[in-house]
Amino acid sequence: AQSVTQPDIHITVSEGASLELRCNYSYGATPYLFWYVQSPGQGLQLLLKYFSGDTLVQGIKGFEAEFKRSQSSFNLRKPSVHWSDAAEYFCAVAASGGSYIPTFGRGTSLIVHP
Amino acid sequence: SQTIHQWPATLVQPVGSPLSLECTVEGTSNPNLYWYRQAAGRGLQLLFYSVGIGQISSEVPQNLSASRPQDRQFILSSKKLLLSDSGFYLCAWSSEFGNEQFFGPGTRLTVL
Repeated sequence: AQSVTQPDIHITVSEGASLELRCNYSYGATPYLFWYVQSPGQGLQLLLKYFSGDTLVQGIKGFEAEFKRSQSSFNLRKPSVHWSDAAEYFCAVAASGGSYIPTFGRGTSLIVHP
Repeated sequence: SQTIHQWPATLVQPVGSPLSLECTVEGTSNPNLYWYRQAAGRGLQLLFYSVGIGQISSEVPQNLSASRPQDRQFILSSKKLLLSDSGFYLCAWSSEFGNEQFFGPGTRLTVL
């Protein structure tokens, strides 16, 4: 079975600074990988996904993520954070064969200082 | 385009009362449907999923049940709520052969 670790519970950055949220996964083959964002009291919105091909994936809202097989990682990045990016971010992994149900990490809460 | 609805948005219920949360999807057919519960700092816990009408898989034994009376309708129920049932409940769907999930706006349940 697959698993996901988001080692940072909270991340605080200043507006305009760069951002990297960490995600490590465990799965025996190439997984399907996702990043979702959740604003307070709202559902989850998909930011980006990786299925295959180019390991650098572009998403919405200026986010990107890079799949690194050797490190079992799928870190989310943004070059310049805006105050509106303050939210909860979830990394998820799904098996590329068999069950399609993703496993979610515990989430990282992003705090943006003005 | 596809949309997913959940209601109610918020609910306050006494311990021991029944529960019914509804989720409907528009603009797609034969979706896979999911119920999650989200507790603070714990991420998403998958409660139930369904690949078709009347087909329900339970991931966690608990005080809750789910039903899928129609292709695009998914209902979460309880006969008697417990304090521990409080939380934020999210419904999601994915296409029949897909694994990208799309989430509803959620229901905040408080059991007093």
